[in-house]
Amino acid sequence: RKEVEQDPGPFNVPEGATVAFNCTYSNSASQSFFWYRQDCRKEPKLLMSVYSSGNEDGRFTAQLNRASQYISLLIRDSKLSDSATYLCVVNTGRRALTFGSGTRLQVQP
Amino acid sequence: GAVVSQHPSRVICKSGTSVKIECRSLDFQATTMFWYRQFPKKSLMLMATSNEGSKATYEQGVEKDKFLINHASLTLSTLTVTSAHPEDSSFYICSASDGTSYEQYFGPGTRLTVT
Repeated sequence: RKEVEQDPGPFNVPEGATVAFNCTYSNSASQSFFWYRQDCRKEPKLLMSVYSSGNEDGRFTAQLNRASQYISLLIRDSKLSDSATYLCVVNTGRRALTFGSGTRLQVQP
Repeated sequence: GAVVSQHPSRVICKSGTSVKIECRSLDFQATTMFWYRQFPKKSLMLMATSNEGSKATYEQGVEKDKFLINHASLTLSTLTVTSAHPEDSSFYICSASDGTSYEQYFGPGTRLTVT
């Protein structure tokens, strides 16, 4: 079983739509959780950290369920510029990050 | 924000040659640097973790004699791909941490093509 699993997509949504991505992780000792965004042929960029209480940053909302080992990302009012691959990332305390394979989002006009 | 650079951004080399990739933290001291590799349509895979002044820790399946990592200063780590083969063609990305949090700052990546 992969350490971090994501639906690869692609998710094709119209502008203005709300879209949600899910991710599960296998290591119950995982300590930190993140969503990164990666554009084609570029390095990943931190989108947001994910906290147990859930957190929101503008149109983006992240949730963490430690009991189910599940992380989610909700994007409201999708923009064309949101088209990218979204990476679920987990830190198990070794300081290195474990990346999911990513979920591709394509927002269409 | 913290900036990490990588050089070169793109390199093409012949099979059997060696290639060195540099990773620099420009405005902070990187106590730990990480090297990742990403094949097309795949996730980033950690290759090794290096702490300044000590030997790198390699992930299972990564040959330390083939991928030489040096982290001689708090702002520079190098990855040398020795005797490169076409299957080493990949996107190599470094990241750096200042040790105060789990946050890592990524370099822009180096695209290696071995012909």
